[in-house]
Amino acid sequence: EVQLVESGGGLVQPGGSLRLSCAASGFTFSSYGLTWVRQAPGKGLDWVSGISTSGNNKYYADSVKGRFTISRDNSKNTLYLQMNSLRAEDTAIYYCAVLYYDSSGYVWGQGTMVTVSS
Amino acid sequence: QSVLTQPPSASGTPGQRVTISCSGSSSNIGRKTVSWYQQLPGTAPKLLIYTNNQRPPGVPDRFSGSKSGTSASLAISGLQSEDEADYYCAAWDDSLNGRVFGGGTKLTVL
Repeated sequence: EVQLVESGGGLVQPGGSLRLSCAASGFTFSSYGLTWVRQAPGKGLDWVSGISTSGNNKYYADSVKGRFTISRDNSKNTLYLQMNSLRAEDTAIYYCAVLYYDSSGYVWGQGTMVTVSS
Repeated sequence: QSVLTQPPSASGTPGQRVTISCSGSSSNIGRKTVSWYQQLPGTAPKLLIYTNNQRPPGVPDRFSGSKSGTSASLAISGLQSEDEADYYCAAWDDSLNGRVFGGGTKLTVL
């Protein structure tokens, strides 16, 4: 069974940094693209970043480009999101997801909450 | 403003068939596959449809997807009270070089 467990969320001040992790199990981690999607309170889904199987190709939403960095460690079956220069508008639940079905369908983790506030 | 456009709400009575639309453009739905997700209150999204019309294991055949040109649709037949949720469409966008989501449709079962 595919399982994704996010961690690392919490309360951080504006301008601060946070590193999210996503531990994966139940599938061959190095064979699938991965992504981070966020959801602000009461809002819809907002794609943040994606990474290829090898980690060589990385993609970012314009809203986070230059502030967030996605990475993966295929030896540890773990996905990361380094978030710097955080803003109030980054406050959201951050979901890790694997592009498990035909490069089209995501399987999701349970999410971790990030709150940016002074 | 979302790149993919969905109606904010939809409704139906138990047993009815409802359809949720998702409108995009030539840079996303027009050339890429569409997936659909169900999000029950307080939970993570769950995959319902991938590659326009494929169901992953465990998803009832009451749920079906279709795509034509730059639009896609999710149909739910035999509506049940537990189908009350938010539904999102998604596709890759070649112009933005990223995944885009619809704004979501809140389905109410009357």
